[in-house]
Amino acid sequence: NAGVTQTPKFQVLKTGQSMTLQCAQDMNHNSMYWYRQDPGMGLRLIYYSASEGTTDKGEVPNGYNVSRLNKREFSLRLESAAPSQTSVYFCASSELEGPLDNEQFFGPGTRLTVL
Amino acid sequence: QKEVEQNSGPLSVPEGAIASLNCTYSDRGSQSFFWYRQYSGKSPELIMFIYSNGDKEDGRFTAQLNKASQYVSLLIRDSQPSDSATYLCAGNSGGSNYKLTFGKGTLLTVNP
Repeated sequence: NAGVTQTPKFQVLKTGQSMTLQCAQDMNHNSMYWYRQDPGMGLRLIYYSASEGTTDKGEVPNGYNVSRLNKREFSLRLESAAPSQTSVYFCASSELEGPLDNEQFFGPGTRLTVL
Repeated sequence: QKEVEQNSGPLSVPEGAIASLNCTYSDRGSQSFFWYRQYSGKSPELIMFIYSNGDKEDGRFTAQLNKASQYVSLLIRDSQPSDSATYLCAGNSGGSNYKLTFGKGTLLTVNP
């Protein structure tokens, strides 16, 4: 099992360009998440998908859109990239075994630089 | 704004000592808490989670939760150089099992 995979691993964009970050999981998890991690800011939730067909905003959704393509795949789109979106982006997935258990498994991350 | 606060460190301990990592949270609705370890340049990985008051032990790791004080801690016994990493505390946002609020992390260095 590959777990959670993300593509690309690195990306450099110019201001105003668009791109889609891809994420896939092979653990048959229902829930998937997109986070960004900035120095000194910790992990912040951008969007999540509790189950196939649903998406919800997290803490910092502005400037992003998501698509839950199927149970395995959850993509994050930057329509018009800005330097403030320079960050490391992590995708994660989880299967809530109970009301209190939300162990999230993280992908390797995408390092995005916007010039 | 619901927050999870951690001392950013760095926390430096000698090999074999006990490392104590602390976390406080502001959301009284948070029910479960998670400790993740993140090596430099890598993704976070779960160490353990806790939702009941008291202690929970797993090998060299012990998580402690005090809901009255809104305080969570992680003790690492017999610290090893391989434990050197950033430790992230997270709590589920009250009312949502899906949203986790992460602290900024504590950098731990274990010196041989």
